[in-house]
Amino acid sequence: DTGVSQNPRHKITKRGQNVTFRCDPISEHNRLYWYRQTLGQGPEFLTYFQNEAQLEKSRLLSDRFSAERPKGSFSTLEIQRTEQGDSAMYLCASTLSGGGEYTEAFFGQGTRLTVV
Amino acid sequence: KQEVTQIPAALSVPEGENLVLNCSFTDSAIYNLQWFRQDPGKGLTSLLLIQSSQREQTSGRLNASLDKSSGRSTLYIAASQPGDSATYLCAVRGNTGKLIFGQGTTLQVKP
Repeated sequence: DTGVSQNPRHKITKRGQNVTFRCDPISEHNRLYWYRQTLGQGPEFLTYFQNEAQLEKSRLLSDRFSAERPKGSFSTLEIQRTEQGDSAMYLCASTLSGGGEYTEAFFGQGTRLTVV
Repeated sequence: KQEVTQIPAALSVPEGENLVLNCSFTDSAIYNLQWFRQDPGKGLTSLLLIQSSQREQTSGRLNASLDKSSGRSTLYIAASQPGDSATYLCAVRGNTGKLIFGQGTTLQVKP
């Protein structure tokens, strides 16, 4: 297993366009998280999945954002009608949970989104 | 609401110095705490994970401690090297399972 993989690494888009990012977690991990990070800040939670179920979505997330994890494997994060304020690094992480225990979380290299 | 604070925000030290990074959190009901390293423009690399029942973890020149009752963790880096220059982030995992991050400490180790 090569760890958490995110694609693309960089995305430049025009304001108003839709973009989609993909995350492939570590294969045996049942939990998958999406975070957003702007310059000089710590990662900010967006949403997470337990297998294919989306269990929590940040109240900071507008309706333009949607995420899926079909079949509990890879996940996609879509942003519709992008705005300049969406420019950020989007990070994906995965971990294994069960019985109230959580293992180490591993992050991908992120997707850097620039909206022009 | 869990809040995580890291002090200092930035730190510059000469090579070879031992140093301590601080992390504090407001809600002591955590499952675990994890320290990460982030190089500019890159993702996060996990350094150490401390479960709530543990007091410390060590990996090479790194030692992390956890005092859950006081809401504090420290990351000790021994004999710092220029390659240690990066941003260090701590994150706590609460009862919803998500990680809550601090703002990070940016470390510069000068040769």
